[in-house]
Amino acid sequence: EPEVTQTPSHQVTQMGQEVILRCVPISNHLYFYWYRQILGQKVEFLVSFYNNEISEKSEIFDDQFSVERPDGSNFTLKIRSTKLEDSAMYFCASREGLAVLYEQYFGPGTRLTVT
Amino acid sequence: AQKITQTQPGMFVQEKEAVTLDCTYDTSDPSYGLFWYKQPSSGEMIFLIYQGSYDQQNATEGRYSLNFQKARKSANLVISASQLGDSAMYFCAMREENTGNQFYFGTGTSLTVIP
Repeated sequence: EPEVTQTPSHQVTQMGQEVILRCVPISNHLYFYWYRQILGQKVEFLVSFYNNEISEKSEIFDDQFSVERPDGSNFTLKIRSTKLEDSAMYFCASREGLAVLYEQYFGPGTRLTVT
Repeated sequence: AQKITQTQPGMFVQEKEAVTLDCTYDTSDPSYGLFWYKQPSSGEMIFLIYQGSYDQQNATEGRYSLNFQKARKSANLVISASQLGDSAMYFCAMREENTGNQFYFGTGTSLTVIP
């Protein structure tokens, strides 16, 4: 069964450093997402991406964040200058279509630890 | 107002018994989808079941069923014949057809199955 993959599974970085989290969505999916989950809290939407541009973003997704689909398979989330509060699990997700019935398939997540 | 409310931070159930996890939602969009995800301690998000706002019947997937009460705006997950492997966090989520394509998540319910 096709799945969303994410690398790395765990990233440790120092405050102020740039990190890039990588995702490979399911190949025939058109809509891509990043979510984050601070430890013990709910999953929060960051950004959605369609047709090579951001379609929606939350207030969490400030100028420190950017997303890119550099080629036909990868979907990346970059945090330019990490802060302690960026420590969280980051989930990538993809969907085949836009109708409500299409579920989002989540990747296994990248645990980001900022020290 | 919260889009998704899960009022049970933690639940316990005896193995082989059934358990209901509560979820209420808030939307004015007539077309929406409700989803339940399971998050084991390993962290990944596993899709369990989907209910569309126009579906006439309650969704079922194996031991999972969704008790959809549209007038009450509730979408409770029922797990029958609980197994030890069901111990996990469970998140209710919603997507609205006409107001963006992100998923809104609840705060989750931690389910512990007791042998």
